[in-house]
Amino acid sequence: NAGVTQTPKFQVLKTGQSMTLQCAQDMNHNSMYWYRQDPGMGLRLIYYSASEGTTDKGEVPNGYNVSRLNKREFSLRLESAAPSQTSVYFCASSALLRTDYSNQPQHFGDGTRLSIL
Amino acid sequence: SQKIEQNSEALNIQEGKTATLTCNYTNYSPAYLQWYRQDPGRGPVFLLLIRENEKEKRKERLKVTFDTTLKQSLFHITASQPADSATYLCALNQGGKLIFGQGTELSVKP
Repeated sequence: NAGVTQTPKFQVLKTGQSMTLQCAQDMNHNSMYWYRQDPGMGLRLIYYSASEGTTDKGEVPNGYNVSRLNKREFSLRLESAAPSQTSVYFCASSALLRTDYSNQPQHFGDGTRLSIL
Repeated sequence: SQKIEQNSEALNIQEGKTATLTCNYTNYSPAYLQWYRQDPGRGPVFLLLIRENEKEKRKERLKVTFDTTLKQSLFHITASQPADSATYLCALNQGGKLIFGQGTELSVKP
């Protein structure tokens, strides 16, 4: 049972390059999230998708785009990478209970470590 | 907006003792508060959820309390073991999303 799978695990980019981080979950969850984690900053929400077909901005969306490809997959795209986007990126998913999904546990992948030179 | 404060200093304790980690928040009391464990190089793993009308919740050696007057949650690990060494994150809901603290690193020495 894989849970949440993120690819790639590591990536080095040059400033200005673009890339897409992939995330897939096999738990039939409705809601999916992208976070970044920086030292001393905790997890910060970039974008989320409460259910298939919807996406919303989180706390730090600038410089990112997302696509909820289907119920299983939620990708994060950096169109023009900047050194400030060097971070560890986590994808998570949770069940959706009525309209409040924040009371559900989130299940995380093991992250993508991204360095931008 | 809500601000969460966890002790940024690492907590070092001896095996067998009780570890107590603190999570303070600044604004309105959330309806729910969650605790996660994160090991180096891994994603956070959910441990416990406590609701605002619950004062205390237990799971095996773990206990979480939620004091809406003090705006504080305490996370206890009794009979701690070296395998409990990790970073522990608290998170609370705001506007339908989870806001995470920066975590407290726990080190349990044998």
